[in-house]
Amino acid sequence: DSGVTQTPKHLITATGQRVTLRCSPRSGDLSVYWYQQSLDQGLQFLIQYYNGEERAKGNILERFSAQQFPDLHSELNLSSLELGDSALYFCASSGGVAYNSPLHFGNGTRLTVT
Amino acid sequence: GQNIDQPTEMTATEGAIVQINCTYQTSGFNGLFWYQQHAGEAPTFLSYNVLDGLEEKGRFSSFLSRSKGYSYLLLKELQMKDSASYLCAVRSNAGKSTFGDGTTLTVKP
Repeated sequence: DSGVTQTPKHLITATGQRVTLRCSPRSGDLSVYWYQQSLDQGLQFLIQYYNGEERAKGNILERFSAQQFPDLHSELNLSSLELGDSALYFCASSGGVAYNSPLHFGNGTRLTVT
Repeated sequence: GQNIDQPTEMTATEGAIVQINCTYQTSGFNGLFWYQQHAGEAPTFLSYNVLDGLEEKGRFSSFLSRSKGYSYLLLKELQMKDSASYLCAVRSNAGKSTFGDGTTLTVKP
């Protein structure tokens, strides 16, 4: 158990809809990262937060947004969903900006857009 | 930006040794990580290198050459449970980790 909690585990929704994915980082971790993994593809970096502030942004679509709250949990909002958004979305946390701090991943949210 | 290359697939025999290579190009380097990911599961941390050389951790070792932009993960005494995807990830100066597409390793009896 990595200590990172993601909810829900599965989401099935229709095109055009909006969903929110939730992540609670490991106790004490200040950094939260969101990654998208499509079928048989690598992890695509979406966005990173550190202690409530956006720190780095990857290839995140304008239809997607995220935030990190004062209690350090994070939410990823996906709107105007398209079939191609179907993927496994991982949240990860790390112990801050220490460069040898590895990422600890949650079990992911599997999103299916029909 | 960062560009990371790994072989897509590898096959090896139980009990053997396998080396998974990773080459990278990055504008700011602050460490290279290896992760293991079983199908449908979350990636888990295996090793970290920031200085040149070999880091050994039980059956797994990882090597880094910063001047060549090259790393490898060495798995010894392969077991069937080692069948998984192995992900190379480079951390930038800003703390962002960029992943390669992963190498799917199949261990055969």
